Amino acid sequence: GEDVEQSLFLSVREGDSSVINCTYTDSSSTYLYWYKQEPGAGLQLLTYIFSNMDMKQDQRLTVLLNKKDKHLSLRIADTQTGDSAIYFCAENYNTDKLIFGTGTRLQVFP
Amino acid sequence: DAMVIQNPRYQVTQFGKPVTLSCSQTLNHNVMYWYQQKSSQAPKLLFHYYDKDFNNEADTPDNFQSRRPNTSFCFLDIRSPGLGDAAMYLCATSRTSGFTDTQYFGPGTRLTVL
Repeated sequence: GEDVEQSLFLSVREGDSSVINCTYTDSSSTYLYWYKQEPGAGLQLLTYIFSNMDMKQDQRLTVLLNKKDKHLSLRIADTQTGDSAIYFCAENYNTDKLIFGTGTRLQVFP
Repeated sequence: DAMVIQNPRYQVTQFGKPVTLSCSQTLNHNVMYWYQQKSSQAPKLLFHYYDKDFNNEADTPDNFQSRRPNTSFCFLDIRSPGLGDAAMYLCATSRTSGFTDTQYFGPGTRLTVL
């Protein structure tokens, strides 16, 4: 299967943590990714995690992977207004193809 | 410095009038991808080139074609655009097609079909 699902919206107060969730269906995916898309712009790779890892931390970003439940999350600490964007999770499929989730629109308010 | 460049950023065409979108890269990457992203949807891969080898996705309509005349450039041709082809078209590149290689995206071209 190639379905990757995310909740559509998330609204957080500036300074709080944001948690964006993703579920995927292809258990053979080797890498899972988080991309950020600002309005009118392309996709920017934020971070990725190898499937044999449970967690990866990169500055304000923490990725958690629960392979048993096929659940991926992205936590953004100390969320800023500049973090407002659409966040896509993606899994690699058959090595040369990325399957993207539906995207979560993060809105940060003061 | 821009690494993946797409021109134009905004393209308006008429129903049925052929249109070409352009992508260039300064990364000297082997692989170039074209994605279609409709409003509020996930990007969907149309096809990709590994060097000169063309790989079409099974569900990409025949209306969409691509050309890669050299390493740096890749074009998306829409032969007879329909209203349903209005979307953001994203170009991406990667060094190889392996999953360890990051895909770098351009800013996209937003296509409007009148």
